[in-house]
Amino acid sequence: QVQLQESGPGLVKPSETLSLTCTVSGASINNYYWSWIRQPPGNKLEWIGYISYTGSTNYNPSLKSRVTMSLDRSKNQLSLNLGSVTAADTAVYYCARDYGGSETYRWFDSWGQGTLVTVSS
Amino acid sequence: DIQLTQSPSSLSASVGDRVTIACRASQSISTYLHWYQQKPGKAPQLLICGASTLRSGVPSRFSGSGSGTDFTLTISSLQPEDFATYYCQQSYSTPRTFGQGTKVDIK
Repeated sequence: QVQLQESGPGLVKPSETLSLTCTVSGASINNYYWSWIRQPPGNKLEWIGYISYTGSTNYNPSLKSRVTMSLDRSKNQLSLNLGSVTAADTAVYYCARDYGGSETYRWFDSWGQGTLVTVSS
Repeated sequence: DIQLTQSPSSLSASVGDRVTIACRASQSISTYLHWYQQKPGKAPQLLICGASTLRSGVPSRFSGSGSGTDFTLTISSLQPEDFATYYCQQSYSTPRTFGQGTKVDIK
């Protein structure tokens, strides 16, 4: 059974960089695609982007200029960096396995529990 | 971006009711449409992929249908554990997008 666990600071100051790590167990990050998704309080889900097992990335254009995703294969972890944050970036951040048979036929079949990140001074 | 519009945004129903949630895409997405259930304070959980394929372990009272721009999630007989928010999501193109959610609560 695949398990994912997000970790990182719960509070980030405006203009700084939000950094989160997702530790994966029960599956190798070398075999799948992995997405980050966020959900502002009381709001709908927003896909941030994915990173593939090769390290290739695809970011949401709305965040592309501020987002970086990476893999740490030795630790079976993925990371998210979001720069120049504002209060609008306050949200629960999820990592999820991005599973499927093709670029278009993909879904999120395993999710972390999520971590709330608040942007405030 | 492909917009997904769910209707209704919320509904009240009783245990045993048949519930139908609609999801309309702003352009044709074939059957690249997936459904999730989210309970308060929890991560979403996949229910249905490819518009109609029930994920292993999901009760058979859940079903999905549709293709192109119009999709439906049906719960044939609502159970107490089904009170939650439901989201549709498309994978036809990036950025992947979600519907705004449909909250199902107790009448």
